[in-house]
Amino acid sequence: LAKTTQPISMDSYEGQEVNITCSHNNIATNDYITWYQQFPSQGPRFIIQGYKTKVTNEVASLFIPADRKSSTLSLPRVSLSDTAVYYCLVRGGGSYIPTFGRGTSLIVHP
Amino acid sequence: NAGVTQTPKFQVLKTGQSMTLQCAQDMNHEYMSWYRQDPGMGLRLIHYSVGAGITDQGEVPNGYNVSRSTTEDFPLRLLSAAPSQTSVYFCASSFFPGSYEQYFGPGTRLTVT
Repeated sequence: LAKTTQPISMDSYEGQEVNITCSHNNIATNDYITWYQQFPSQGPRFIIQGYKTKVTNEVASLFIPADRKSSTLSLPRVSLSDTAVYYCLVRGGGSYIPTFGRGTSLIVHP
Repeated sequence: NAGVTQTPKFQVLKTGQSMTLQCAQDMNHEYMSWYRQDPGMGLRLIHYSVGAGITDQGEVPNGYNVSRSTTEDFPLRLLSAAPSQTSVYFCASSFFPGSYEQYFGPGTRLTVT
């Protein structure tokens, strides 16, 4: 299984842009990069997925460089409600079973 | 669609007791799975199913059994509860095995005393 590395925690303030980077050095050629968001006392929620370059939806943007060994989740102008744990998932090694790491705990301050 | 539903929301067991955590989805998803989440930890996969009648072990299967007799339901059985099984349990489903777009239930908070 591909291993991902992301910061354990991050702090930000309302209105700022937050970028969370995930390293995935052994990502498979055909693998996608997926991000989930988990609010306290809730199950994770799929927020965005990409293969290369840039993907944007109403929640976030995902930037993937050409070598695909890392990816960056960008949250524009965060609010207190963006306080959550963010997980980066890849597969790698032929397994189709998604594996969640510890994620990045984002705390947004007033 | 109700999505993924889990019952109960909360449960307290004594050591040695058995129980079944229920999970159901109404989206006709092939793939279903169970995770546990402990404080400060990510989600760890317990068991998963790629379709009715097919189940397999995940990362932490010991002490748990599953079965999948229908597409909709995927119950998780604790055979003899232990304090180490105190955790929050999440059920998830996706359209097909290999899809990373999983839909999660609200979770069951289990305490074993």
